[in-house]
Amino acid sequence: QKEVEQNSGPLSVPEGAIASLNCTYSDRGSQSFFWYRQYSGKSPELIMSIYSNGDKEDGRFTAQLNKASQYVSLLIRDSQPSDSATYLCAVPVRGGGGADGLTFGKGTHLIIQP
Amino acid sequence: DAGITQSPRHKVTETGTPVTLRCHQTENHRYMYWYRQDPGHGLRLIHYSYGVKDTDKGEVSDGYSVSRSKTEDFLLTLESATSSQTSVYFCAATRDHSYEQYFGPGTRLTVT
Repeated sequence: QKEVEQNSGPLSVPEGAIASLNCTYSDRGSQSFFWYRQYSGKSPELIMSIYSNGDKEDGRFTAQLNKASQYVSLLIRDSQPSDSATYLCAVPVRGGGGADGLTFGKGTHLIIQP
Repeated sequence: DAGITQSPRHKVTETGTPVTLRCHQTENHRYMYWYRQDPGHGLRLIHYSYGVKDTDKGEVSDGYSVSRSKTEDFLLTLESATSSQTSVYFCAATRDHSYEQYFGPGTRLTVT
């Protein structure tokens, strides 16, 4: 069973600063990586996907992937109180294009302090 | 929200009773999934479907069965509910092999 590890937090960041969320994964063969945001009492929402080494930027969000270190991170620039949520990292259960589901980390609880 | 709804949204049931949760989608997603989310465990895959009448087990499938008789509906059945199945259940779907899954609003199930 693949493992995805995240620091549970809470991670407290001042408003306007950069929030850095980290994730490590056990399967060196993983090819796809996803970040979900989940507000309390709500369902997870896909915010970023990354498939290649390096950085991928989308608005205030940047995903960073380092397959050699089996490490994926999410940076949130100009953090806003509305970014306060739990962030989930996920990788495919088996991969290979079978769409067989995702393995999730337990999530990092992020708090943006006004 | 990718056109995914779940019903019921909340349910309280007694140990030993059968329970069926429904996931309905309106956007012709081929792949559908059931997850449960529990404190300390995160989201865990129960079952998934890769087409009508095509399903397979996930990490925590014991005590659960699923059915998919048409593209838009994916049913999760607890044959005889136990207190350990108290959880929040999420349905998810994706159109293709991308693994970019979109989630329904969830069903909070309490087994007393």
